[in-house]
Order: sequence, then structure tokens, then C-alpha cells
Amino acid sequence: RKEVEQDPGPFNVPEGATVAFNCTYSNSASQSFFWYRQDCRKEPKLLMSVYSSGNEDGRFTAQLNRASQYISLLIRDSKLSDSATYLCAMSAGSNFGNEKLTFGTGTRLTIIP
Amino acid sequence: DGGITQSPKYLFRKEGQNVTLSCEQNLNHDAMYWYRQDPGQGLRLIYYSQIVNDFQKGDIAEGYSVSREKKESFPLTVTSAQKNPTAFYLCASYTGFGHYGYTFGSGTRLTVV
Repeated sequence: RKEVEQDPGPFNVPEGATVAFNCTYSNSASQSFFWYRQDCRKEPKLLMSVYSSGNEDGRFTAQLNRASQYISLLIRDSKLSDSATYLCAMSAGSNFGNEKLTFGTGTRLTIIP
Repeated sequence: DGGITQSPKYLFRKEGQNVTLSCEQNLNHDAMYWYRQDPGQGLRLIYYSQIVNDFQKGDIAEGYSVSREKKESFPLTVTSAQKNPTAFYLCASYTGFGHYGYTFGSGTRLTVV
């Protein structure tokens, strides 16, 4: 089983719709979780950190489910500018300050006008 | 402005050549990382360094070498032993506090000609 698994998509979603992605992980010792956004041929950029209590930033909501070992990203009222690849990432262990992140392969999202 | 600078943006390598990719950061981060991304793939860790004069192999270190003589700099050499070096190379640094994730450079695209 891969350490981190994401549905590669593509997800083709009409503008204004709500879309959700999941990312499952196998390392129960992981402590830090993140969602990154990567535009075509660019570097990944941090979108959100993911906390146990869940967190929201505008139209974006991230959740962590430790029992089932997955994180999720929900995008509401999707915009054309949300079209990108979304990568999940998590720490390899529990040692804060020595973070080695493992990345998923990414989920490609295209918002259709 | 603080950030990470990777150079060159594009690099072409002949068979049997060693090439060095530059990564410089002025964020005062202790930890630095090199990842490789192949088309449609996630990021795979090559090498990382948590402190000056120390570094560890990642998941795919064979055919690569690094040095960390200064906190600001973490160059990656792609040696002739790396049989499939064509990829997008990303350098990242990390502040050491769990919820802030990595900051990435803009990447170097290496192509074997």
C-alpha cells in the first residue's frame, strides 16, 4: 500500500459547484498535514495546514480524520481560478522540527465555465 | 523579500555529464530538501538536510549528491550515474514549526539531450 494515496482525477466541475477530495495515509505516526496547490509547470504552494479540529479559509475547508486516516479538502462555490492540481502532504513522523513530508501524486481539478 | 531561489530554470544535460542545480534561501530556515517530480507524478524526496554540514538520503538518492556548507545553500548534483534524470527538480526549506509547511523554489527543469 502506498504511504499516501490520492484519486488522480481529473475532476471536471462546473463553476460554482462544490468539490471535495480525499487523501488517505498509512503512517499513523504522522502529525502534520497539508494541502498544496500546484499550477501547471509551477512549484507547489501551501494552500492550508490541516488540523484535528478542521479549519476553514474562505471557500476552502480542510478536515482530518485520524481514525480512518484520511484528510479532505472541500472547495465551495468553485471559481475558474481554482483549476490546478491539489497535492496532499504529511509528515513522515511525529518529530516536530524534523519534518520530512511525503506527498500524494495530486488530484487534477478543472473548473468548467 | 525572503524566499528560495533555484537556478537555472531550465538545464540541458548531455549523456555522461554531471550537472549542479543551485538552491539558495534567505528565510533563515534550518531544514532544506530536494524533491523530484516526473510528469503526472507526486514529489519524491532525493536528499534533505536539517542542519549545516549534515544531510540524509531520501527515497531516491542514487545518482545524486548534495552538500550543505552554508545554511543558505543546498546544491544538488545530478551525476552520470543517474540513468533517468529528466524531471522537474524542486528545492524546499522549512521553518521547523509544524504547521507552516514547506516553502518551495520555482524549480529547475532538467532535460537529457
